[in-house]
Amino acid sequence: EDQVTQSPEALRLQEGESSSLNCSYTVSGLRGLFWYRQDPGKGPEFLFTLYSAGEEKEKERLKATLTKKESFLHITAPKPEDSATYLCAVTDYGQNFVFGPGTRLSVLP
Amino acid sequence: ETGVTQTPRHLVMGMTNKKSLKCEQHLGHNAMYWYKQSAKKPLELMFVYSLEERVENNSVPSRFSPECPNSSHLFLHLHTLQPEDSALYLCASSQDSSGMLNEQFFGPGTRLTVL
Repeated sequence: EDQVTQSPEALRLQEGESSSLNCSYTVSGLRGLFWYRQDPGKGPEFLFTLYSAGEEKEKERLKATLTKKESFLHITAPKPEDSATYLCAVTDYGQNFVFGPGTRLSVLP
Repeated sequence: ETGVTQTPRHLVMGMTNKKSLKCEQHLGHNAMYWYKQSAKKPLELMFVYSLEERVENNSVPSRFSPECPNSSHLFLHLHTLQPEDSALYLCASSQDSSGMLNEQFFGPGTRLTVL
């Protein structure tokens, strides 16, 4: 059974204080790993898809990386508008799709 | 309307009621999904439809009955629910269901409370 864990559960940063969020996964044949952002009262919003170990993708202040066991979402010089819950999900070759519990990020001005 | 819309946004129902949740996507996508998001639990995939055919049903109780009359509309019919079914129900769509690899676009969700 595919499993996804995320750490930390919650993270508070000062504006400009860079950090990383972790997503660890156990899956029988990773086909894709996804990062989504969810704001309160809204549905998740897609950020990245990673397919193989060593792959990296960037978008503004966010950079996602992937190894064979985990993925990191690096946030460089965050701003208050980056405050949200960040969700990681994986899919395998059996078309299972599993989300992690999320990391709740707060960026203080 | 743009993106994925869901109605109603909030719903309170008794355990003996029958109600339906509606989802509409305005993106020209061919796949639609229902998810359940409970407090303190990860998002759970419930159903996947591709070109109006159900392709995935993740062991969801029969008191939840999905319906996809066309590629733009998705319903979730609810009957004899339990209090533990109270949650945020999210609808999503994607270009197609291609092994779950495509970016999914989510609606805002329906907050369901079962009394």
